[in-house]
Amino acid sequence: GAGVSQSPSNKVTEKGKDVELRCDPISGHTALYWYRQSLGQGLEFLIYFQGNSAPDKSGLPSDRFSAERTGGSVSTLTIQRTQQEDSAVYLCASSPGSVSPLHFGNGTRLTVT
Amino acid sequence: KQEVTQIPAALSVPEGENLVLNCSFTDSAIYNLQWFRQDPGKGLTSLLLIQSSQREQTSGRLNASLDKSSGRSTLYIAASQPGDSATYLCAVVAGGGATNKLIFGTGTLLAVQP
Repeated sequence: GAGVSQSPSNKVTEKGKDVELRCDPISGHTALYWYRQSLGQGLEFLIYFQGNSAPDKSGLPSDRFSAERTGGSVSTLTIQRTQQEDSAVYLCASSPGSVSPLHFGNGTRLTVT
Repeated sequence: KQEVTQIPAALSVPEGENLVLNCSFTDSAIYNLQWFRQDPGKGLTSLLLIQSSQREQTSGRLNASLDKSSGRSTLYIAASQPGDSATYLCAVVAGGGATNKLIFGTGTLLAVQP
């Protein structure tokens, strides 16, 4: 069946511009996560959505980062006024419940010039 | 603060060898531990999940063990194949597991030489 889909797969933007990254989770998965993977660093948790509960935003690095999940399905991660240090691969994952193996998308590679 | 470390950072072995990847974590109060593989330019694929009450999990040529008290896990790969070449990541879910917020190690880059 269809896995987690992320778009775009690559994004190059100029410093100071806003970007939106999209994640389509597996149908029926109630939990959705955003992670960031920077060169030479591990995966960094950003935000977690579970059903209708308030999201866990504890990993967002600054107020330039925000995310929403509409209708319990598609999620959008928005980065405002991008900086060069935002360059990374942004990975989305979903799971059937709050404690189940995660299914990851292939990520969006963001390059800020 | 939970920290996850993986040793070695990189490993190269000839095809057919058995190998062990190591993962250690600083806080033993984990809910579960997961092993993933990541191929270049791809997302992560879940390999094995071990609940905190379990000691090991097996899937095919893969066996993962967990020693929670010592803060260690190992991933054993039997009869390695070139297709096993990838980055292997371990991750822990802290505490009671109210969320599935995974704390990742930095990975072991495995190359299996034909």
